[in-house]
Amino acid sequence: QSALTQPRSVSGSPGQSVSISCTGTRNDVGFYNYVSWYQHHPGKAPKLLIYDVTKRPSGVPDRFSGSKSGNTASLTISGLQAEDEADYYCCSYAGTYTFTYVFGTGTKVTFL
Amino acid sequence: EVQLVESGGGLVRPGGSLRLSCVASGIRFDSYSMNWVRQAPGKGLEWISYISSSSGTRYYAESVKGRFTISRDNAKNSLYLEMNSLRDKDTAVYYCATFGDDSFDFWGRGTLVTVSS
Repeated sequence: QSALTQPRSVSGSPGQSVSISCTGTRNDVGFYNYVSWYQHHPGKAPKLLIYDVTKRPSGVPDRFSGSKSGNTASLTISGLQAEDEADYYCCSYAGTYTFTYVFGTGTKVTFL
Repeated sequence: EVQLVESGGGLVRPGGSLRLSCVASGIRFDSYSMNWVRQAPGKGLEWISYISSSSGTRYYAESVKGRFTISRDNAKNSLYLEMNSLRDKDTAVYYCATFGDDSFDFWGRGTLVTVSS
């Protein structure tokens, strides 16, 4: 199972919006609405931001939003803040015949 | 507050074995399915194993199938990963994570496993 493809890095100014793409195939992102997104500050526990493509867990700011079109999912961060500088990973269910999840290659979000 | 704390990582020679543990607090552990996810140096995350709340169902990624065994002790709020026949490519930070709503909702900070001669 190949990793989902994400841009290596994206940059933005404080207050701007940035979007991160996550490209898979018709066997994972394109077929299942089980795409999730995680924020990871190195050395800390990863944090769930989005699940089931668009849903936010309790406590996650509405600055974070998710969407999907075809084989590509996207995470948008609106009103970029200092604490948003981190690594972001998408993830999709890919288990046609068994339980399998595949993560993205990861995207580093930095300030310009 | 949910806390997952992994332990048991360290340096091991190729072909060796190691047992990782993950202790949970702040959740009803026996209601959660659990997973192990790893991150090799400079690489992305990789899901490697799943166990249902009752231990009745277990799944493994192809990269570890036959070498790693996931287990849990609900009385001790603990999750385990027995790793055998370790290879250089198994070098990674290993995270435990709960599973809910088709996603990994709570994570620990990880424990580092280094496989090297």
